[in-house]
Amino acid sequence: NAGVTQTPKFQVLKTGQSMTLQCAQDMNHNSMYWYRQDPGMGLRLIYYSASEGTTDKGEVPNGYNVSRLNKREFSLRLESAAPSQTSVYFCASRGLVVTGELFFGEGSRLTVL
Amino acid sequence: DQQVKQNSPSLSVQEGRISILNCDYTNSMFDYFLWYKKYPAEGPTFLISISSIKDKNEDGRFTVFLNKSAKHLSLHIVPSQPGDSAVYFCAASGDNRKLIWGLGTSLAVNP
Repeated sequence: NAGVTQTPKFQVLKTGQSMTLQCAQDMNHNSMYWYRQDPGMGLRLIYYSASEGTTDKGEVPNGYNVSRLNKREFSLRLESAAPSQTSVYFCASRGLVVTGELFFGEGSRLTVL
Repeated sequence: DQQVKQNSPSLSVQEGRISILNCDYTNSMFDYFLWYKKYPAEGPTFLISISSIKDKNEDGRFTVFLNKSAKHLSLHIVPSQPGDSAVYFCAASGDNRKLIWGLGTSLAVNP
């Protein structure tokens, strides 16, 4: 009963390094999302994928890229990490039900030095 | 400009008493509202929701009230328990089903 699984849970990067956050869901959901959470800022949407093969920008997409690899997997890539990208990142998924709630992963804490 | 506002960053209540968490919104096109709970080092989890066609939805100890004319909703937890200590997020959506989030209220329930 895994739900939404994110890896890695923790990562420390140096400025300019690249990395990819992986996300997989086993609930056969169509929509997947990447959020970041910062103190005092709540949850901010980075990118989302309404269905396999589509991706769209959210509120704060700059500095990130995403790939919807298949229906299960949605990855978030930082090409050249910056200290401003230090945050906790959450992946989420949602099924077809129009008012269906989001299911979140446990989060990935990223520190950029 | 924040479309969903949780004006109280924190709230402290005694175990057994009622917790009331408030949320205001500005967009009259929002028609679905959700509350999520978040423990430290975990992802948010869905708690309860309400459609704009209702003014109340209840699930066990949790009740959400919606006042559309005031663009205000509240989450009541009765009785509050120490395990309810968490950050509570209010979220709203309209036709496009994109969720707009509040900044959260940190609830501490003291034994």
